[in-house]
Amino acid sequence: DTEVTQTPKHLVMGMTNKKSLKCEQHMGHRAMYWYKQKAKKPPELMFVYSYEKLSINESVPSRFSPECPNSSLLNLHLHALQPEDSALYLCASSPRRGGNTGELFFGEGSRLTVL
Amino acid sequence: AQSVTQLDSQVPVFEEAPVELRCNYSSSVSVYLFWYVQYPNQGLQLLLKYLSGSTLVESINGFEAEFNKSQTSFHLRKPSVHISDTAEYFCAVSAGRTSYDKVIFGPGTSLSVIP
Repeated sequence: DTEVTQTPKHLVMGMTNKKSLKCEQHMGHRAMYWYKQKAKKPPELMFVYSYEKLSINESVPSRFSPECPNSSLLNLHLHALQPEDSALYLCASSPRRGGNTGELFFGEGSRLTVL
Repeated sequence: AQSVTQLDSQVPVFEEAPVELRCNYSSSVSVYLFWYVQYPNQGLQLLLKYLSGSTLVESINGFEAEFNKSQTSFHLRKPSVHISDTAEYFCAVSAGRTSYDKVIFGPGTSLSVIP
């Protein structure tokens, strides 16, 4: 069983909807990540939070809005998405920044379909 | 900057046969190397990692990889595959020190084990 929990597992939304993806970890990790993965492709980094502060934004469109309410939770707010945003969204965590070895712990993902 | 190449996008192999999945990387600094596995409809799991020390690293399920600095390679091997090894395998690199948060994934190799 994964120690990074993502909800919902599946989400279908229209282009005018507002929805959120949630991620939770209780391993005491201080860095959390959002990745986007298209079919048969590697994960692409979107955002990194370190100690609850946004440290990396990989030029992601503003229709994706991350939020880190506390060290255990990570949200991804979605608004006015496009069909090409349909993908598997993966949350990951790692022990800490500045001392990491790049080892990531992934959740099982939220599969998003935009109609 | 770092990059990762996986020369084989698909590798079919018969059950109980040996397999090698190739990975090459480029980096101007020392790196940490990883193999992640993604089973169908799941997130990624760390399979094994090279941080330092012995260049041969092993996983609990029979995979091994050898770090070869002169050839900038980190090939993954298993002497006898099982049906359950069917999955997508991603080689990854992290530069460490200043880039702990950023893990670069290769394009992936799809391993199909044939009964």
